[in-house]
Amino acid sequence: ETGVTQSPTHLIKTRGQQVTLRCSSQSGHNTVSWYQQALGQGPQFIFQYYREEENGRGNFPPRFSGLQFPNYSSELNVNALELDDSALYLCASSLVGGGTEAFFGQGTRLTVV
Amino acid sequence: AQTVTQSQPEMSVQEAETVTLSCTYDTSENNYYLFWYKQPPSRQMILVIRQEAYKQQNATENRFSVNFQKAAKSFSLKISDSQLGDTAMYFCAFMKLFSGNTPLVFGKGTRLSVIA
Repeated sequence: ETGVTQSPTHLIKTRGQQVTLRCSSQSGHNTVSWYQQALGQGPQFIFQYYREEENGRGNFPPRFSGLQFPNYSSELNVNALELDDSALYLCASSLVGGGTEAFFGQGTRLTVV
Repeated sequence: AQTVTQSQPEMSVQEAETVTLSCTYDTSENNYYLFWYKQPPSRQMILVIRQEAYKQQNATENRFSVNFQKAAKSFSLKISDSQLGDTAMYFCAFMKLFSGNTPLVFGKGTRLSVIA
């Protein structure tokens, strides 16, 4: 098991609602990346945070936003939920300058109905 | 943009046998890393093996080894002495080498079943 924890593990939301997913990074890691994994697909990069600032973004609309806190934990916020947002959301923490390995959490399974 | 292709959606192997999972990628970069990740039913991505593009020697980790062909942009994973615990989704991933961290680009995955 890695030191990356995500909460909640599962949740169900209604189309149009907003959701916040949380991630606690591994101790000492200063970078958090978020990925969306649709059913039967590989993870797709949403964005990355480094030192509390967005440090790269994939092809996702602005209604996907995030935060990183001074303790390097992070949140992913999704507004105006759509049915296609149903997916597993993975958080990965890593250390800039400390090698390439990213440690993943167990994910949050989001279902939009 | 980089792309990663895994052409085998599903594979199966008998316990104790050897299996090879295929991966090809497309990039104009010269310096990068390649990875194989395992995702068991618990959903947590676990790093299996890593290859630096500048290294000609193929990486090995116990029962896991890769065949890295840089010119062909091919990166296959060989699992020897397969065990029931190897049953999982396996993802090939690419990462551009950069002074900071760059995101992982994943393939669609191969579902591996190890049969007793």
